[in-house]
Amino acid sequence: GENVEQHPSTLSVQEGDSAVIKCTYSDSASNYFPWYKQELGKRPQLIIDIRSNVGEKKDQRIAVTLNKTAKHFSLHITETQPEDSAVYFCAAPSGSARQLTFGSGTQLTVLP
Amino acid sequence: DTAVSQTPKYLVTQMGNDKSIKCEQNLGHDTMYWYKQDSKKFLKIMFSYNNKELIINETVPNRFSPKSPDKAHLNLHINSLELGDSAVYFCASSNGLSRNIQYFGAGTRLSVL
Repeated sequence: GENVEQHPSTLSVQEGDSAVIKCTYSDSASNYFPWYKQELGKRPQLIIDIRSNVGEKKDQRIAVTLNKTAKHFSLHITETQPEDSAVYFCAAPSGSARQLTFGSGTQLTVLP
Repeated sequence: DTAVSQTPKYLVTQMGNDKSIKCEQNLGHDTMYWYKQDSKKFLKIMFSYNNKELIINETVPNRFSPKSPDKAHLNLHINSLELGDSAVYFCASSNGLSRNIQYFGAGTRLSVL
């Protein structure tokens, strides 16, 4: 099955700086890579996703890059704001049913 | 309008009891899930149903039994609750399995005393 590794587990940045979270996956057949944001006490919500036919996707201050050869993908947040503080999860499909396997999460703290 | 709703939001119970958590989605999705999130925030899939049929059953004790009466509902029944069952349980739904957005419910915080 898929093994999705996520780093770092915690990340603190100053407001206005950039944050980068990285994930690696093992299943070369994986073709869809979403990122979810979970604020404290709330539900996970999709913030951006990328499919394997593109190498980068951007949505305002958030971008995701994908390197299929190296089997890793990254979330980039620019000009971070305190409301970006949350746990971020990457995911990739795996198994015979191609269900999403989530990474272990990154607690991002944006310091004012 | 809440897209994926689960009840109750909080559940406090004694060891050994049996409890149920209900989930309903009004998005017209054909696939529903149960996830367990422990204190370290790991999100682990437990079950998935597609068109009322069980398609994913991860290594979960058989004290946990999902039931899907129709495509819009996926309930979770837990027998003989143990301390280690304390966690937040999330229901989610999507259209199809692998390449589509999953929408999560607000979670049920289960505390077993």
